[in-house]
Amino acid sequence: SQQGEEDPQALSIQEGENATMNCSYKTSINNLQWYRQNSGRGLVHLILIRSNEREKHSGRLRVTLDTSKKSSSLLITASRAADTASYFCATDDQGAQKLVFGQGTRLTINP
Amino acid sequence: DTGVSQDPRHKITKRGQNVTFRCDPISEHNRLYWYRQTLGQGPEFLTYFQNEAQLEKSRLLSDRFSAERPKGSFSTLEIQRTEQGDSAMYLCASSYLEGGEEQYFGPGTRLTVT
Repeated sequence: SQQGEEDPQALSIQEGENATMNCSYKTSINNLQWYRQNSGRGLVHLILIRSNEREKHSGRLRVTLDTSKKSSSLLITASRAADTASYFCATDDQGAQKLVFGQGTRLTINP
Repeated sequence: DTGVSQDPRHKITKRGQNVTFRCDPISEHNRLYWYRQTLGQGPEFLTYFQNEAQLEKSRLLSDRFSAERPKGSFSTLEIQRTEQGDSAMYLCASSYLEGGEEQYFGPGTRLTVT
């Protein structure tokens, strides 16, 4: 079963705009990660935020985590066509080694 | 470092046949994971190994599925008596025990059962 839900399921924006995706989860966690998947390919790790962190930055990525609401958001600034992909949040499900993924957000950047 | 590799990349088989997939993790990684992903969904955990020991199996892993990692390096996932519902992308990932929690994924094996 999946951990939670991502919102929106699909997002289409113009190149240069910012994209925001949200993720909710159900159980307590040690960390939350975001992954990117290009069509038909494997997943690429983007960023990890620990449960005691509220915000983290990496290049054009900004992730926030609100453990009281069991939610996270991923912001991609100044989007590029190459950002077109599916984005998944994943949690460690109460500290277990396995990752539990959301259903993902399909992001399309229009040139 | 060549990354995680999986073989084959695509497999088409008839219902009832057995199939085996291979995963070669990043060489120094001692943890290896198998996930299954169906169209439009996120990956779902199947099983994971630390070195050669299989430490956790999902209830998704029916008795038709078996995974091995005999020498703590590469792993195989076998599906016996395949069913159409087994059609999916099978993803392998690896990580390093002492390294962070992020997992490094292979390109996946896409299985189609006809």
